[in-house]
Amino acid sequence: EAGVAQSPRYKIIEKRQSVAFWCNPISGHATLYWYQQILGQGPKLLIQFQNNGVVDDSQLPKDRFSAERLKGVDSTLKIQPAKLEDSAVYLCASSYEAGTNQPQHFGDGTRLSIL
Amino acid sequence: AQSVTQLGSHVSVSEGALVLLRCNYSSSVPPYLFWYVQYPNQGLQLLLKYTSAATLVKGINGFEAEFKKSETSFHLTKPSAHMSDAAEYFCAVRGQGAQKLVFGQGTRLTINP
Repeated sequence: EAGVAQSPRYKIIEKRQSVAFWCNPISGHATLYWYQQILGQGPKLLIQFQNNGVVDDSQLPKDRFSAERLKGVDSTLKIQPAKLEDSAVYLCASSYEAGTNQPQHFGDGTRLSIL
Repeated sequence: AQSVTQLGSHVSVSEGALVLLRCNYSSSVPPYLFWYVQYPNQGLQLLLKYTSAATLVKGINGFEAEFKKSETSFHLTKPSAHMSDAAEYFCAVRGQGAQKLVFGQGTRLTINP
């Protein structure tokens, strides 16, 4: 089966600019996750979708970050305006369903550098 | 709330030696536990998972982990290290129900020839 697809792989922007990331999960996976991985740390959950509804966005900085999954498949994560501390790898993951022992399958991530 | 502590941010072993990566968790209910591996510039790949069936879990690439409730540990081992095992390893925990996956800080494994 095809894995989780993310684009772009790399992005360099200046602070205060905006940026968007795209994710296409594994076909049939209802649950989609966005993580932020800062260098030297483990991934931190930003937002979790179940189909096109938000399950958990408690750690999403809502003043600058937004995410949507309009048709319950693809998802976009946006940052506007970007800050220096947003430099990180943004990982998308999907799973067949949430709240079980189903593992999450990860994409290769988007590495964001803020100048 | 769940949390994970990985002891040792860097571990270095010789090729052919035993690999031991430590993970301790805290959870108020029996958890689901996972080990993931991350190669440079790639996403995370599942190595193995504990789901309360057997305490000794076998994963891919010759890795295994043992769940010890009394020690709240889920250490990852491999009898003989290979150069291709060099990567970052993450332990993660999730409580039962629709709760988020919480990752440890990671352990970078280096294999010396």
